[in-house]
Amino acid sequence: SSELTQDPAVSVALGQTVRISCQGDSLRNFYASWYQQKPGQAPVLVIYGKNNRPSGIPDRFSGSSSGNTASLTVTGAQAEDEADYYCNSRDTSGNHLVLFGGGTKLTVL
Amino acid sequence: QVQLQQWGAGLLKPSETLSLTCAVFGGSFSDYSWTWIRQSPGKGLEWIGKINHSGSSNYNPSLKSRVTISVDTSKNQFSLNLTSVTAADTAVYYCARGLTVVIAFDFWGHGTLVTVSS
Repeated sequence: SSELTQDPAVSVALGQTVRISCQGDSLRNFYASWYQQKPGQAPVLVIYGKNNRPSGIPDRFSGSSSGNTASLTVTGAQAEDEADYYCNSRDTSGNHLVLFGGGTKLTVL
Repeated sequence: QVQLQQWGAGLLKPSETLSLTCAVFGGSFSDYSWTWIRQSPGKGLEWIGKINHSGSSNYNPSLKSRVTISVDTSKNQFSLNLTSVTAADTAVYYCARGLTVVIAFDFWGHGTLVTVSS
């Protein structure tokens, strides 16, 4: 498959938990990675592999996967978590191609 | 700490060639892949292609006919050439370091805005 699908926008109340999803056939076989992007800045990797956080990423960010859906969960969302979030993975063609989801705008209310 | 510093022309005319270079400071150059990603104004991320230290590359099929990514291991640099640009190629272009075990980009350049306009 050559697509990863994300909801365009999600909102969460301050301090609550939110799940951002990413759907695609390739996710049945490959893990998704997740990026946070704030306006005017380069994306930042927040989750990769099964559920790995790079150094400096708060532990309120976690990843999971089931079937063709990968999810990024933010537990106890903070105001600074308001950003665009992108998933990515590889495609299933065997050609080592990379896919990105369309992005989800997270609003913290 | 790993840093990626990128540079290149920011204003092009239609039909010209986009050229960007990314220098890598810190970390191992040979243990990762090196990638270009772009983002059109107000849009999402688009993978352009990647290369490893030995020069093996893969490209987005939608851009493959116009893209070349090259590597200079003596300088820990890699470059992007995109030929015959149009307004649709106007975007912020990022270089990034790719992990090899999973598809993930853990260090990014600051981005270069490339505008194509006559």
